[in-house]
Amino acid sequence: GENVEQHPSTLSVQEGDSAVIKCTYSDSASNYFPWYKQELGKGPQLIIDIRSNVGEKKDQRIAVTLNKTAKHFSLHITETQPEDSAVYFCAASETSYDKVIFGPGTSLSVIP
Amino acid sequence: GAGVSQSPRYKVAKRGQDVALRCDPISGHVSLFWYQQALGQGPEFLTYFQNEAQLDKSGLPSDRFFAERPEGSVSTLKIQRTQQEDSAVYLCASSTQDRGRNEQFFGPGTRLTVL
Repeated sequence: GENVEQHPSTLSVQEGDSAVIKCTYSDSASNYFPWYKQELGKGPQLIIDIRSNVGEKKDQRIAVTLNKTAKHFSLHITETQPEDSAVYFCAASETSYDKVIFGPGTSLSVIP
Repeated sequence: GAGVSQSPRYKVAKRGQDVALRCDPISGHVSLFWYQQALGQGPEFLTYFQNEAQLDKSGLPSDRFFAERPEGSVSTLKIQRTQQEDSAVYLCASSTQDRGRNEQFFGPGTRLTVL
């Protein structure tokens, strides 16, 4: 089955700096890669996703890249703000209709 | 618009007790997923329903875990004879089958503590 790895496990950045989280996956059948933000006491919330026919996607301060050959994908957050502090999960799925396999998470702290 | 709701939000059970966790998905959402999230880890898939049909239960860790969605809306996850290793947050998610708008919306979870 699919296995998703993620690093770093913790990340601390100064407000205004960029944050990068990197993930790898194992199953070449995966074609859908969502990213979730989870705040304390809440469920994961989708922040951006990318499909395998696209190499890069951007939404305001957030961008994701995908290298299907290498089975790597990453999240870039620019101009970080304190409210970006949360746990971020990368994930993989065969399609956007299927169960999602999550990575272990990255705890991001943005220091004012 | 109401999101996915789960109840109870917190549950403390003595080892050996049975528990039932409820999920109210977003109205009209066909798909419903249950995930288990241990402390400090990512959610792990348990089971999936499309309407009332349980199409995938490959993630259920043992036969003590049982899920149902009899009318294709509300779902209940039942855990019999709870063990300490069952302590986790149980997340429910729902989604549509519409093309391009089928992200999974997660509820806040039920935190289960087994003593």
